[in-house]
Amino acid sequence: EAQVTQNPRYLITVTGKKLTVTCSQNMNHEYMSWYRQDPGLGLRQIYYSMNVEVTDKGDVPEGYKVSRKEKRNFPLILESPSPNQTSLYFCASSPAGGAGYTFGSGTRLTVV
Amino acid sequence: RKEVEQDPGPFNVPEGATVAFNCTYSNSASQSFFWYRQDCRKEPKLLMSVYSSGNEDGRFTAQLNRASQYISLLIRDSKLSDSATYLCVAALNAGNMLTFGGGTRLMVKP
Repeated sequence: EAQVTQNPRYLITVTGKKLTVTCSQNMNHEYMSWYRQDPGLGLRQIYYSMNVEVTDKGDVPEGYKVSRKEKRNFPLILESPSPNQTSLYFCASSPAGGAGYTFGSGTRLTVV
Repeated sequence: RKEVEQDPGPFNVPEGATVAFNCTYSNSASQSFFWYRQDCRKEPKLLMSVYSSGNEDGRFTAQLNRASQYISLLIRDSKLSDSATYLCVAALNAGNMLTFGGGTRLMVKP
């Protein structure tokens, strides 16, 4: 089944403890992207990648890192999480930007 | 001012009704446009791309007006299963920098 898989689905962590949210797609898509969704603010793009080793900032990149060492994987790294990064995170992939994105099921992160 | 604006609703309509949503975008450099559907606590799912010539997929019709910078979605013969939040999206950089509207909530009632 063609899909974007994120792990974990739920995570509660403490301020300052580094964490990684994994994202993997099995559709051989070139493009991948990370978003966060917050009440009243909607979905906002964090980072995107147009190919292996090619990443760029979205609207809200502060406090996040990404890497794209392989085509299928696009992990999101929070080096020192803070409570304002409590959010619902989505990873997405696309064969080409103009084709629209397929989203993963989301990761609900709580930083206390 | 938000870059992509939508009426949050909710739009409460009876089954079988026709309902239309509009969305405006502020960045005239936007290149690609989409409608996504999001059910409560779930991931957004691509409903359709939006083209200047207009496009139709079954009961759904999308239209883009670049001069006025607005996008529309028309749903005919509404079904209960159409109840969801509809997200308007404008994209830059060959469709890779996506800006989402806040969403319009639709509730279809029996």
